[in-house]
Amino acid sequence: EIVLTQSPTTIAASPGEKVTITCRASSSVSYMYWYQQKPGASPKPWIYDTSKLASGVPNRFSGSGSGTSYSLTINTMETEDAATYYCQQWSSTLTFGSGTKLEIK
Amino acid sequence: QIQLVQSGPELKKPGESVKISCKASGYTFTDYAMHWVKQAPGKGLKWMGWINTYTGKPTYADDFKGRFVFSLEASASTANLQISNLKNEDTATYFCARRSGYRYYFDYWGQGVMVTVSS
Repeated sequence: EIVLTQSPTTIAASPGEKVTITCRASSSVSYMYWYQQKPGASPKPWIYDTSKLASGVPNRFSGSGSGTSYSLTINTMETEDAATYYCQQWSSTLTFGSGTKLEIK
Repeated sequence: QIQLVQSGPELKKPGESVKISCKASGYTFTDYAMHWVKQAPGKGLKWMGWINTYTGKPTYADDFKGRFVFSLEASASTANLQISNLKNEDTATYFCARRSGYRYYFDYWGQGVMVTVSS
């Protein structure tokens, strides 16, 4: 099983700040996927195929990476971006990262 | 519009069984695989497995073999998850999620069903 390790576990950012969340895989994966989840809600697809934004996702978000290292970046943090973000791979048995909680400072 | 609507919350005792449903609408049910994801309170997401909505064949992740059964009512565009011999650690929210065609992620999710197991 491929283990996905997200860092940081929690991060607080001020509006306008740049934020980067990383996801490291225990073995190489072909693509990385990201979800956003707010309290009491189901996860929403956010980034697919490593770098493509899901429908409705603001273009201040971007995704990048390859092999075992991937990241989600918010160019300028907005209050509505406060949420938990999960990475996911399916190169072998599907696994999720443990999540990164993004808070507003 | 595409929707996955799940059944309501459940309160069960250890040893009992529960069956939760996920009704799909807005697309051809048998064209897309349905997956199940567990989220324990305050914890992350854990993939449980999936069911081929065309053939009805289920595939279970290792941690969900034995007490967990995926099934279909294809005529009703509904996927079901049944958990038998409930344990306290089954307390969680269970999501159904549609696989995005041949891509390796989930593009639509149900609202989740909270299952509480308590004596």
